[in-house]
Amino acid sequence: NAGVTQTPKFQVLKTGQSMTLQCAQDMNHNSMYWYRQDPGMGLRLIYYSASEGTTDKGEVPNGYNVSRLNKREFSLRLESAAPSQTSVYFCASSWKDAKNIQYFGAGTRLSVL
Amino acid sequence: GQQVMQIPQYQHVQEGEDFTTYCNSSTTLSNIQWYKQRPGGHPVFLIQLVKSGEVKKQKRLTFQFGEAKKNSSLHITATQTTDVGTYFCAGSNNNDMRFGAGTRLTVKP
Repeated sequence: NAGVTQTPKFQVLKTGQSMTLQCAQDMNHNSMYWYRQDPGMGLRLIYYSASEGTTDKGEVPNGYNVSRLNKREFSLRLESAAPSQTSVYFCASSWKDAKNIQYFGAGTRLSVL
Repeated sequence: GQQVMQIPQYQHVQEGEDFTTYCNSSTTLSNIQWYKQRPGGHPVFLIQLVKSGEVKKQKRLTFQFGEAKKNSSLHITATQTTDVGTYFCAGSNNNDMRFGAGTRLTVKP
């Protein structure tokens, strides 16, 4: 049971570089989410996708873009990384919507120098 | 917008002592979920509360949902070292779910 798989696990970027964080789920879930976790601030929603073909902004979308490639995959892109984007990024999925249980990936630890 | 506040931010207990974390929402919630994140790990779902005044138990963990559906608590009886981690509440309303900042629990053997 893979659940939610995120790649890479760790990444170091220089300011201005771009990268894409990958996320895939094998539970046939409709909704997928990207969060960032910073010390003392809990989990903040960046973007979510309620269903295949739709994406919506969350609480902190600035500096990020997302693509719901298909039902399984939801990627997060940083076009021009900034030190303020140093964080741990979690992808999650749920059966239908935000009221349902969310299953999280192992996370990506990103440092922007 | 909806805000979910969680207190305390940190709690350090001696093994065997009890622990409680509280969650308060600025708006009425349709449900509340609790997650646990072990150090270096990812959040893992513990439980979901839906009904006003609901109380659920999982072994030494007791979860409550307030009558007004705006607050919740998680109580751990006789903590063990395996309880170490950060406990998050997450409140849902109108397809919007917000996480509290979490309570980090450390347990001294």
